[in-house]
Amino acid sequence: DARVTQTPRDKVTEMGQEVTMRCQPILGHNTVFWYRQTMMQGLELLAYFRNRAPLDDSGMPKDRFSAEMPDATLATLKIQPSEPRDSAVYFCASGPGGDTDTQYFGPGTRLTVL
Amino acid sequence: AQKITQTQPGMFVQEKEAVTLDCTYDTSDPSYGLFWYKQPSSGEMIFLIYQGSYDQQNATEGRYSLNFQKARKSANLVISASQLGDSAMYFCAMREYEDDGNQFYFGTGTSLTVIP
Repeated sequence: DARVTQTPRDKVTEMGQEVTMRCQPILGHNTVFWYRQTMMQGLELLAYFRNRAPLDDSGMPKDRFSAEMPDATLATLKIQPSEPRDSAVYFCASGPGGDTDTQYFGPGTRLTVL
Repeated sequence: AQKITQTQPGMFVQEKEAVTLDCTYDTSDPSYGLFWYKQPSSGEMIFLIYQGSYDQQNATEGRYSLNFQKARKSANLVISASQLGDSAMYFCAMREYEDDGNQFYFGTGTSLTVIP
């Protein structure tokens, strides 16, 4: 049963520290998405990759967030420096592309910035 | 204007009964896709069902069906024969394929509680 994996599952850090979240998409999927979920804002799309190329990162605060796909099996989301308002659950999702582009979500990384 | 609107923050249904979760959307693109996801208390997001804007028939997946009314811009999720395990948050989402094909929008969700 293929799944998207994310590490770490939980991360507690202090303000100003760098945070790196990792995602392994489902093998064969060529689209990868990063979302942030908070009670106040709901689900927000941060970045979107197709075939490892970033297609849209307009939802991401550029000054502190960066997203990359070093290879087809790894996507990273980095926050530097982190702030308390970044506390949220960060989801990675992957999809097979195509017309439906159904997204399959990972379990999420719960980030707490103190 | 909100792209996806879910007007029911919370819903209750008796076990084995059917329930409809409402979703309306706003788009001027002729080509779009509509999705429903389930988020149990464990936190993961589970894909349930997809409907394309050009699909002639309503999508069905097991106990889930999507009541697609294009003229009204609604994409309600119908869960038949509710089970206790259906208790979760349900999110409606849309992808616009033209003009700005990389945009995905999620609604605020509906919390469904199945009562034994």
